[in-house]
Amino acid sequence: DSGVTQTPKHLITATGQRVTLRCSPRSGDLSVYWYQQSLDQGLQFLIQYYNGEERAKGNILERFSAQQFPDLHSELNLSSLELGDSALYFCASSVGPGRETYEQYFGPGTRLTVT
Amino acid sequence: SQQGEEDPQALSIQEGENATMNCSYKTSINNLQWYRQNSGRGLVHLILIRSNEREKHSGRLRVTLDTSKKSSSLLITASRAADTASYFCATDLRGADGLTFGKGTHLIIQP
Repeated sequence: DSGVTQTPKHLITATGQRVTLRCSPRSGDLSVYWYQQSLDQGLQFLIQYYNGEERAKGNILERFSAQQFPDLHSELNLSSLELGDSALYFCASSVGPGRETYEQYFGPGTRLTVT
Repeated sequence: SQQGEEDPQALSIQEGENATMNCSYKTSINNLQWYRQNSGRGLVHLILIRSNEREKHSGRLRVTLDTSKKSSSLLITASRAADTASYFCATDLRGADGLTFGKGTHLIIQP
């Protein structure tokens, strides 16, 4: 158990819909990262937040957005869903902002299926 | 595009044998990390090696890093059935904060 929690575990929804994935980082970790894992794209970094502020952006689509709240939990919002958005979405947390090197602790993931 | 590329894509060995996986990357890195993923589950951090380090050990794991060749290897000694998983290398690019993962090596340990 990494200490990172994600809800829900599974989500099935239709194209065009909007969903919210939630992540609680390990106690004491200030950085939260979101990743998408799909068969064709592999593991892709989406976005990072540090202590409530957006820190880095990766391959995140404009239809996707995220935020980190004062209690440090984070939410990833996916809208206008397409079939290709079906994937495993992982949240990870680490102690620092990333300029130093910190290992990342991954949550169990949310499996999103868009039908 | 993938920064890290693992090789082989899949590896099947007998329990007790050693398993070696390789990772190549394209640009300068701050550090390189190896993660394990059991089928459909979260990633587990195995080991981190910084760009100024050449070799690191952790239990049955040995990681090497050759920055001149932009490559790393992960050696698992005395493999066990529980080592069956996918193994990913991830690089921390200079100037970026998210990890860039390769496509992974799927390791199968046969009893």
